[in-house]
Amino acid sequence: KAGVTQTPRYLIKTRGQQVTLSCSPISGHRSVSWYQQTPGQGLQFLFEYFSETQRNKGNFPGRFSGRQFSNSRSEMNVSTLELGDSALYLCASSVAGPTNTGELFFGEGSRLTVL
Amino acid sequence: SQQGEEDPQALSIQEGENATMNCSYKTSINNLQWYRQNSGRGLVHLILIRSNEREKHSGRLRVTLDTSKKSSSLLITASRAADTASYFCATVTSYDKVIFGPGTSLSVIP
Repeated sequence: KAGVTQTPRYLIKTRGQQVTLSCSPISGHRSVSWYQQTPGQGLQFLFEYFSETQRNKGNFPGRFSGRQFSNSRSEMNVSTLELGDSALYLCASSVAGPTNTGELFFGEGSRLTVL
Repeated sequence: SQQGEEDPQALSIQEGENATMNCSYKTSINNLQWYRQNSGRGLVHLILIRSNEREKHSGRLRVTLDTSKKSSSLLITASRAADTASYFCATVTSYDKVIFGPGTSLSVIP
């Protein structure tokens, strides 16, 4: 069974640009959540999707958005990039969400560098 | 502010010793989970304990949960060099909101 796949693994952008990150969950998993990890702020929750609906959202500005497709694949987009957006973006999937099924399966992350 | 707070921030022990990490949180939870992360990679789930449980074991791992004190501890027994990693607690609310603590960096010296 394939794990959670995140693409691209590494990318470099400049301030003001936008970026789209992709996450393919484990087959059969319907919940996908996104996290931003930085040395200063640690792991911060961005949002969680279940069956194409956003169920939870963290405290990030509107420049951060996401969506989930009918096949459970998810994308997140960051517009008007700032230097502070440089981070490791992690995607996690679970069967029905961390409350119901608990364990989150993480991808290896997409490391974004904003210059 | 973050829900979970780990203590200590960093821990260095000799191989074979036990390592204990603590996590405190602020609000009601559905469950609490512990994860391990090796240097800039994805997180790996270690163990989950639900709010109505007090203790769980998995191999060399032992987790306790005290909901009255809003705290949890992770014990790794007979540590190995391969246990060197960052360890995070994650609290899960009834609405599927997951909040990670800042993590404990564990170094196991061979």
